[in-house]
Amino acid sequence: EVQMVESGGGLVQPGGSLRLSCAASGFSLSSHWMNWVRQAPGKGLEWVANIKQDGSEKNYVDSVKGRFTISRDNAKNSLFLQMNSLRAEDTAVYYCARGRVGVDWGQGTLVTVSS
Amino acid sequence: DVVMTQSPLSLPVTLGQPASISCRSSQSLVHSDGNIYLNWFQQRPGQSPRRLINRVSNRDSGVPDRFSGSGSGTDFTLKISRVEAEDVAVYYCMQGTHWPFTFGPGTKVDIK
Repeated sequence: EVQMVESGGGLVQPGGSLRLSCAASGFSLSSHWMNWVRQAPGKGLEWVANIKQDGSEKNYVDSVKGRFTISRDNAKNSLFLQMNSLRAEDTAVYYCARGRVGVDWGQGTLVTVSS
Repeated sequence: DVVMTQSPLSLPVTLGQPASISCRSSQSLVHSDGNIYLNWFQQRPGQSPRRLINRVSNRDSGVPDRFSGSGSGTDFTLKISRVEAEDVAVYYCMQGTHWPFTFGPGTKVDIK
């Protein structure tokens, strides 16, 4: 069974940092594009970043460029999102999603940026 | 960025009746590889999104056949042939052709 479990969310002050993790099971991470997608409370969905199978290509939405870094460890079947210089508008549930256009999703982890 | 619009944004439906959601993109979604990466997602209350339809009209594994997708160019449609109680959800169209990938605002389907 394909499963992805996100972790690392929590409450952080503006300007702070967090590192999200996504532990994958039931499939080989190395075979798939992987993604981070977020959803602010009560709002719609925003595709944040994606990364190619071997990590050679990474894409970011403009609002996070220079602040967020997506990475992966295929040997550990894990995906990461390093988030620096966090802002109130980054408050959201962050989902990891498998495949170029998100065939499977995790349950999400909540990031709250507030003083 | 490609702007995705949906209509209606709210759709009350009667159980057993059909429902239809429209989605329009601000530019062509034909990828350089020839595919049209227009997808539909369902998000039930309190749950993660679930992909229903990929590349305009292909149902994902386990998706009931009452869901169908169609369209071309910049106009796309999701249809539910007979709405069931479990279909209460927000439905999003999403384009995966041009980076950044973008979603429509969502259509909330509930029961009259």
